[in-house]
Amino acid sequence: DAGITQSPRHKVTETGTPVTLRCHQTENHRYMYWYRQDPGHGLRLIHYSYGVKDTDKGEVSDGYSVSRSKTEDFLLTLESATSSQTSVYFCAISERTGGSSGNTIYFGEGSWLTVV
Amino acid sequence: GIQVEQSPPDLILQEGANSTLRCNFSDSVNNLQWFHQNPWGQLINLFYIPSGTKQNGRLSATTVATERYSLLYISSSQTTDSGVYFCAVGYTGANSKLTFGKGITLSVRP
Repeated sequence: DAGITQSPRHKVTETGTPVTLRCHQTENHRYMYWYRQDPGHGLRLIHYSYGVKDTDKGEVSDGYSVSRSKTEDFLLTLESATSSQTSVYFCAISERTGGSSGNTIYFGEGSWLTVV
Repeated sequence: GIQVEQSPPDLILQEGANSTLRCNFSDSVNNLQWFHQNPWGQLINLFYIPSGTKQNGRLSATTVATERYSLLYISSSQTTDSGVYFCAVGYTGANSKLTFGKGITLSVRP
C-alpha cells in the first residue's frame, strides 16, 4: 500500500461545470503526477509536481490546472468540463532514492469521471 | 518526445505457458518501469529496471539500455496474470516523469 487516496472515485458531471479531483498521500513523497487513461492511448501525463508550489505541464495539459499547497495534496481542476475529458484519472507518486528502487512510481486507484 | 512501442499488442495464453513481452523505446533513458493493470483497473508496479536483469517470483525483466529495449518474462502463467502490461520510460532528475507505451493485453485461459 503506497498510501495514496484519490477522491472522488466516481463522478458524473455536466458539460461546462468545474470539477476538482484530489490526490492525498501519506508517504511525504516529493513527486506527484496526474495521468489520464483512455482506450488506445495508454496513460498520458497531464501535470506533475516536484515540490510544494512547483508544478509543470505534461503532454495533455490543455483544459486542466493543478495546485499543490501542501506536500500531501495534489489537486487537479477541470475549469469547465468537456465530454473529451471523460476518462479515468490516476494520481501517482514517486521519490528519488538511491539503489535499485530509483524513481519507482506508485499509482492510486483511479477516479472515473464522466462528463455528460 | 520519447516514443515507446510495446509488442505484441494482444496475447492469449493457456495457463502454465511462458511468454515474453517487449518494449522498444526511441531515446537513451535512465528510468524504465513495468506495470500490470489488473481487470479491476488497479496499476501495480512490477519492476524498476533501467538496465540489467531482475526477478520477482515467476516474473523477470531485462533491459538493454544501449539497444533501447526491455523484455518482461512471465513463466508458468496463471489466470491472475491477465490484464494489461505497460512499459514506461523516462529520466530521473528534477523533472522526473515517464512516458507510457500503449500496453499489451494478456489473457490467460484456464
